[in-house]
Amino acid sequence: EAGVTQFPSHSVIEKGQTVTLRCDPISGHDNLYWYRRVMGKEIKFLLHFVKESKQDESGMPNNRFLAERTGGTYSTLKVQPAELEDSGVYFCASSQLSGAGELFFGEGSRLTVL
Amino acid sequence: AQKVTQAQTEISVVEKEDVTLDCVYETRDTTYYLFWYKQPPSGELVFLIRRNSFDEQNEISGRYSWNFQKSTSSFNFTITASQVVDSAVYFCALKKIGTASKLTFGTGTRLQVTL
Repeated sequence: EAGVTQFPSHSVIEKGQTVTLRCDPISGHDNLYWYRRVMGKEIKFLLHFVKESKQDESGMPNNRFLAERTGGTYSTLKVQPAELEDSGVYFCASSQLSGAGELFFGEGSRLTVL
Repeated sequence: AQKVTQAQTEISVVEKEDVTLDCVYETRDTTYYLFWYKQPPSGELVFLIRRNSFDEQNEISGRYSWNFQKSTSSFNFTITASQVVDSAVYFCALKKIGTASKLTFGTGTRLQVTL
């Protein structure tokens, strides 16, 4: 069974540009999460989808970040326009609907904003 | 509010040494899960263990063991006879039981095991 996959693995863009990160959760997992780790800091929650609905977006830094999950399958996270402080590793995770336990994480998308 | 503290930023040991990674947490929830994840150089976060707040029994899995002490709000992780393949960043995390709620992570401890 395929795990959580993320694309791209690494993106280097200039300040002001736009980047879209994609996450494909494990098939059948209704819960999808985005997290971010800025260098040396903790992994911070960004938002949580249940199917196509945003359950909790309290961790989204500002309105330059837009997450979607059309159809309740894959999700995208767009940063527009990107700023230097957006650099970090963006992790996606998924879990089954009950959500009681283990989150399965992808390998992360490293974003570097120059 | 929840908080997880991993005071050790980086630990370096020689292969075959035992090493303990510390994790201290804060939460007002009466029921919660605690987790450890491993992030090897390849980047993905690999689940290692989940413990719930009802169960303070220590757990051993091969060379890995976990010591959960509710009285000190700690969930420490020990690797016995460390190996080079154990080199990674290890994250401790906390989650409220009963909902598909978010994980609260610590800042991670980088473990370097050398020959």
